[in-house]
Amino acid sequence: EPEVTQTPSHQVTQMGQEVILRCVPISNHLYFYWYRQILGQKVEFLVSFYNNEISEKSEIFDDQFSVERPDGSNFTLKIRSTKLEDSAMYFCASTDREASVSPLHFGNGTRLTVT
Amino acid sequence: GQSLEQPSEVTAVEGAIVQINCTYQTSGFYGLSWYQQHDGGAPTFLSYNGLDGLEETGRFSSFLSRSDSYGYLLLQELQMKDSASYFCAVRWRGAGGFKTIFGAGTRLFVKA
Repeated sequence: EPEVTQTPSHQVTQMGQEVILRCVPISNHLYFYWYRQILGQKVEFLVSFYNNEISEKSEIFDDQFSVERPDGSNFTLKIRSTKLEDSAMYFCASTDREASVSPLHFGNGTRLTVT
Repeated sequence: GQSLEQPSEVTAVEGAIVQINCTYQTSGFYGLSWYQQHDGGAPTFLSYNGLDGLEETGRFSSFLSRSDSYGYLLLQELQMKDSASYFCAVRWRGAGGFKTIFGAGTRLFVKA
């Protein structure tokens, strides 16, 4: 079964550094999402992306964050000038269509640790 | 805004039936989904209810009452491997399109 893949699985960075989290959505999917989950807490929506532009973003997704689809397969989340509170698991997800019933297919996540 | 309420944890014994409730408040509501997440893993889709009533998928069933803004996930014949966190998630439509917002999750402990 096709999968969403994320790299790296774990990223350690120093406060103030920039990180790029990478995702390869399922190949025929058109709608892409980033979520984050602070340890032991709920899965929080960050941003949705379709047709090479952001369609929705949450209040968490401020100017520190950006997303890009640099080619036909990758979908990236960039965090500029990381803060300690950015430490979390970041999940990429995709769906094949924008129907209410379409389930989110999640990758295994990137655990980001900011020291 | 959107809000979802579900119990923080539930404990049950192997072979039993457990129900995890979820209440929500949201505008632009389209449906309620349930996701399972094992420790260290990714959320995986279990079920979706867009209309009132019960949806059954094997040992798992999910129910929705739109008039009561309420739903539940029913797990039957519990197995040890069902120990995980279960998230209800509201699918709603904002200005930019559909969005899925998750509840805080219910941690299910299955005992032998």
